[in-house]
Amino acid sequence: ILNVEQSPQSLHVQEGDSTNFTCSFPSSNFYALHWYRWETAKSPEALFVMTLNGDEKKKGRISATLNTKEGYSYLYIKGSQPEDSATYLCASNPGYGQNFVFGPGTRLSVLP
Amino acid sequence: EAGVAQSPRYKIIEKRQSVAFWCNPISGHATLYWYQQILGQGPKLLIQFQNNGVVDDSQLPKDRFSAERLKGVDSTLKIQPAKLEDSAVYLCASTGGVSREGTEAFFGQGTRLTVV
Repeated sequence: ILNVEQSPQSLHVQEGDSTNFTCSFPSSNFYALHWYRWETAKSPEALFVMTLNGDEKKKGRISATLNTKEGYSYLYIKGSQPEDSATYLCASNPGYGQNFVFGPGTRLSVLP
Repeated sequence: EAGVAQSPRYKIIEKRQSVAFWCNPISGHATLYWYQQILGQGPKLLIQFQNNGVVDDSQLPKDRFSAERLKGVDSTLKIQPAKLEDSAVYLCASTGGVSREGTEAFFGQGTRLTVV
Protein backbone atom coordinates (compact mmCIF):
# COMPACT_ATOMS: atom_id res chain seq x y z
CA ILE A 1 0.00 0.00 0.00
CA LEU A 2 1.36 3.42 -0.98
CA ASN A 3 2.16 5.96 1.71
CA VAL A 4 1.21 9.55 0.92
CA GLU A 5 2.28 12.25 3.35
CA GLN A 6 1.23 15.88 3.65
CA SER A 7 2.62 18.76 5.62
CA PRO A 8 1.84 20.76 7.56
CA GLN A 9 -1.08 19.05 9.26
CA SER A 10 -2.75 22.39 9.90
CA LEU A 11 -2.08 26.01 9.15
CA HIS A 12 -3.49 29.34 10.28
CA VAL A 13 -2.76 32.39 8.11
CA GLN A 14 -4.02 35.94 7.94
CA GLU A 15 -6.15 37.13 5.06
CA GLY A 16 -3.86 38.27 2.25
CA ASP A 17 -0.97 36.00 3.19
CA SER A 18 0.38 33.54 0.66
CA THR A 19 0.95 29.96 1.72
CA ASN A 20 2.00 26.57 0.44
CA PHE A 21 1.63 22.91 1.37
CA THR A 22 3.59 19.81 0.51
CA CYS A 23 2.48 16.37 -0.63
CA SER A 24 5.00 13.53 -0.89
CA PHE A 25 4.32 10.21 -2.58
CA PRO A 26 6.29 7.17 -3.73
CA SER A 27 8.00 8.08 -6.98
CA SER A 28 8.37 4.46 -8.05
CA ASN A 29 4.65 3.95 -8.72
CA PHE A 30 3.17 7.00 -10.34
CA TYR A 31 0.36 7.63 -12.79
CA ALA A 32 -1.32 10.80 -11.58
CA LEU A 33 -1.37 13.11 -8.57
CA HIS A 34 -4.63 14.75 -7.52
CA TRP A 35 -5.34 17.75 -5.32
CA TYR A 36 -8.76 18.19 -3.73
CA ARG A 37 -10.28 20.91 -1.58
CA TRP A 38 -12.74 19.75 1.07
CA GLU A 39 -14.84 22.39 2.76
CA THR A 40 -16.83 21.50 5.84
CA ALA A 41 -20.23 19.93 5.04
CA LYS A 42 -19.45 19.83 1.32
CA SER A 43 -18.07 17.29 -1.14
CA PRO A 44 -14.34 17.14 -1.81
CA GLU A 45 -13.77 19.12 -4.98
CA ALA A 46 -11.04 18.36 -7.51
CA LEU A 47 -8.52 21.17 -7.97
CA PHE A 48 -5.86 19.63 -10.19
CA VAL A 49 -4.89 16.37 -11.87
CA MET A 50 -1.15 16.34 -12.52
CA THR A 51 0.58 13.72 -14.60
CA LEU A 52 3.91 14.93 -16.01
CA ASN A 53 7.14 15.70 -14.21
CA GLY A 54 7.55 19.45 -14.06
CA ASP A 55 3.81 20.08 -14.49
CA GLU A 56 2.61 23.43 -13.23
CA LYS A 57 -1.11 24.14 -13.08
CA LYS A 58 -3.02 27.21 -12.02
CA LYS A 59 -6.63 27.99 -11.15
CA GLY A 60 -7.16 31.57 -10.05
CA ARG A 61 -5.01 32.21 -6.97
CA ILE A 62 -4.16 28.53 -6.52
CA SER A 63 -1.34 26.77 -8.32
CA ALA A 64 0.48 23.47 -8.04
CA THR A 65 3.76 21.94 -9.17
CA LEU A 66 4.83 18.34 -9.58
CA ASN A 67 8.16 16.52 -9.28
CA THR A 68 7.67 12.84 -10.06
CA LYS A 69 11.36 11.97 -9.83
CA GLU A 70 11.63 12.94 -6.18
CA GLY A 71 7.98 12.29 -5.37
CA TYR A 72 6.54 15.60 -4.23
CA SER A 73 3.99 18.22 -5.19
CA TYR A 74 3.48 21.72 -3.83
CA LEU A 75 0.18 23.60 -3.65
CA TYR A 76 0.39 27.38 -3.46
CA ILE A 77 -2.32 29.85 -2.52
CA LYS A 78 -1.58 33.48 -3.28
CA GLY A 79 -3.35 36.16 -1.21
CA SER A 80 -5.38 33.78 0.96
CA GLN A 81 -9.04 34.62 1.53
CA PRO A 82 -11.38 33.34 4.28
CA GLU A 83 -13.22 31.28 1.66
CA ASP A 84 -9.99 29.32 1.08
CA SER A 85 -10.42 27.79 4.53
CA ALA A 86 -10.73 24.05 3.95
CA THR A 87 -8.84 20.78 4.13
CA TYR A 88 -6.57 20.25 1.15
CA LEU A 89 -6.08 16.60 0.23
CA CYS A 90 -3.63 15.11 -2.19
CA ALA A 91 -4.01 11.62 -3.62
CA SER A 92 -1.62 9.47 -5.59
CA ASN A 93 -3.00 7.23 -8.31
CA PRO A 94 -0.48 4.48 -9.22
CA GLY A 95 -2.20 3.35 -12.40
CA TYR A 96 -5.24 3.67 -14.62
CA GLY A 97 -8.30 2.22 -12.93
CA GLN A 98 -6.48 1.80 -9.64
CA ASN A 99 -7.24 3.14 -6.22
CA PHE A 100 -6.44 6.68 -5.11
CA VAL A 101 -4.27 6.74 -1.99
CA PHE A 102 -4.94 9.88 0.00
CA GLY A 103 -2.68 11.80 2.32
CA PRO A 104 -4.00 12.94 5.71
CA GLY A 105 -4.69 16.46 4.43
CA THR A 106 -3.65 19.97 5.41
CA ARG A 107 -6.31 21.94 7.27
CA LEU A 108 -6.08 25.64 6.33
CA SER A 109 -7.76 28.38 8.32
CA VAL A 110 -7.63 31.89 6.90
CA LEU A 111 -8.36 34.52 9.53
CA PRO A 112 -10.02 37.77 8.40
CA GLU B 1 -24.74 17.09 -14.87
CA ALA B 2 -25.98 15.76 -11.53
CA GLY B 3 -23.31 15.01 -8.96
CA VAL B 4 -22.75 11.95 -6.80
CA ALA B 5 -25.72 11.46 -4.49
CA GLN B 6 -25.38 9.93 -1.04
CA SER B 7 -27.85 9.28 1.73
CA PRO B 8 -28.34 9.69 4.57
CA ARG B 9 -26.21 12.73 5.41
CA TYR B 10 -26.04 11.88 9.09
CA LYS B 11 -26.67 8.76 11.13
CA ILE B 12 -26.38 8.02 14.84
CA ILE B 13 -26.67 4.41 15.97
CA GLU B 14 -25.79 2.36 19.00
CA LYS B 15 -22.95 -0.13 18.88
CA ARG B 16 -23.94 -3.57 17.62
CA GLN B 17 -26.72 -2.07 15.49
CA SER B 18 -26.76 -2.21 11.70
CA VAL B 19 -26.60 0.66 9.23
CA ALA B 20 -26.68 1.05 5.46
CA PHE B 21 -25.52 3.84 3.21
CA TRP B 22 -26.58 4.48 -0.36
CA CYS B 23 -24.71 6.05 -3.27
CA ASN B 24 -25.76 6.97 -6.79
CA PRO B 25 -22.72 7.90 -8.91
CA ILE B 26 -22.59 10.25 -11.86
CA SER B 27 -24.43 8.73 -14.81
CA GLY B 28 -22.12 6.68 -17.00
CA HIS B 29 -19.28 6.43 -14.49
CA ALA B 30 -18.08 2.84 -14.42
CA THR B 31 -15.83 3.08 -11.37
CA LEU B 32 -17.29 3.61 -7.90
CA TYR B 33 -15.36 3.91 -4.64
CA TRP B 34 -16.35 3.82 -0.99
CA TYR B 35 -13.96 5.59 1.38
CA GLN B 36 -13.89 5.82 5.16
CA GLN B 37 -12.52 9.06 6.58
CA ILE B 38 -11.77 9.05 10.30
CA LEU B 39 -11.24 12.43 11.94
CA GLY B 40 -7.67 13.65 11.43
CA GLN B 41 -6.87 11.08 8.74
CA GLY B 42 -7.16 10.98 4.97
CA PRO B 43 -9.89 8.99 3.25
CA LYS B 44 -9.13 5.25 3.22
CA LEU B 45 -10.46 3.02 0.48
CA LEU B 46 -12.93 0.39 1.59
CA ILE B 47 -13.98 -1.00 -1.76
CA GLN B 48 -13.69 -0.18 -5.48
CA PHE B 49 -16.15 -1.37 -8.10
CA GLN B 50 -15.75 -1.43 -11.87
CA ASN B 51 -19.31 -1.67 -13.16
CA ASN B 52 -20.78 -4.41 -10.95
CA GLY B 53 -17.49 -6.20 -10.24
CA VAL B 54 -15.21 -5.70 -7.26
CA VAL B 55 -11.73 -4.44 -8.19
CA ASP B 56 -10.27 -3.94 -4.72
CA ASP B 57 -11.76 -4.79 -1.34
CA SER B 58 -8.50 -5.60 0.42
CA GLN B 59 -9.11 -3.03 3.17
CA LEU B 60 -12.79 -3.82 3.74
CA PRO B 61 -13.37 -5.43 7.18
CA LYS B 62 -15.39 -8.25 5.71
CA ASP B 63 -16.51 -9.63 9.06
CA ARG B 64 -18.78 -6.62 9.48
CA PHE B 65 -18.77 -4.56 6.29
CA SER B 66 -20.39 -5.49 3.00
CA ALA B 67 -21.06 -3.61 -0.21
CA GLU B 68 -22.81 -4.30 -3.44
CA ARG B 69 -23.40 -2.68 -6.82
CA LEU B 70 -25.73 -5.20 -8.36
CA LYS B 71 -26.70 -3.41 -11.56
CA GLY B 72 -23.47 -1.51 -11.98
CA VAL B 73 -25.09 1.80 -11.11
CA ASP B 74 -25.96 2.65 -7.51
CA SER B 75 -24.34 1.00 -4.54
CA THR B 76 -25.01 0.25 -0.89
CA LEU B 77 -22.51 -0.13 1.94
CA LYS B 78 -23.61 -1.95 5.08
CA ILE B 79 -22.10 -2.29 8.53
CA GLN B 80 -23.39 -5.09 10.73
CA PRO B 81 -22.77 -4.95 13.66
CA ALA B 82 -21.32 -1.49 14.15
CA LYS B 83 -18.46 -0.74 16.54
CA LEU B 84 -17.48 2.53 18.18
CA GLU B 85 -14.41 2.78 15.91
CA ASP B 86 -16.67 2.81 12.83
CA SER B 87 -17.56 6.44 13.62
CA ALA B 88 -16.37 8.28 10.53
CA VAL B 89 -17.45 10.00 7.34
CA TYR B 90 -18.24 7.52 4.57
CA LEU B 91 -17.56 9.01 1.16
CA CYS B 92 -18.67 7.67 -2.18
CA ALA B 93 -16.85 8.70 -5.34
CA SER B 94 -17.02 7.85 -9.01
CA THR B 95 -14.75 8.26 -12.01
CA GLY B 96 -15.43 7.92 -15.67
CA GLY B 97 -12.44 9.42 -17.42
CA VAL B 98 -10.48 7.37 -19.89
CA SER B 99 -7.49 9.69 -20.29
CA ARG B 100 -4.74 10.09 -17.75
CA GLU B 101 -5.74 13.72 -17.23
CA GLY B 102 -9.37 12.77 -16.79
CA THR B 103 -9.06 10.45 -13.83
CA GLU B 104 -10.37 12.90 -11.22
CA ALA B 105 -12.84 11.47 -8.75
CA PHE B 106 -16.20 13.09 -8.13
CA PHE B 107 -17.36 12.82 -4.54
CA GLY B 108 -20.67 12.84 -2.77
CA GLN B 109 -21.17 14.89 0.37
CA GLY B 110 -20.61 11.85 2.55
CA THR B 111 -22.50 10.23 5.40
CA ARG B 112 -21.33 11.13 8.88
CA LEU B 113 -21.81 8.08 11.10
CA THR B 114 -21.65 8.30 14.87
CA VAL B 115 -21.70 5.05 16.83
CA VAL B 116 -22.50 5.48 20.51
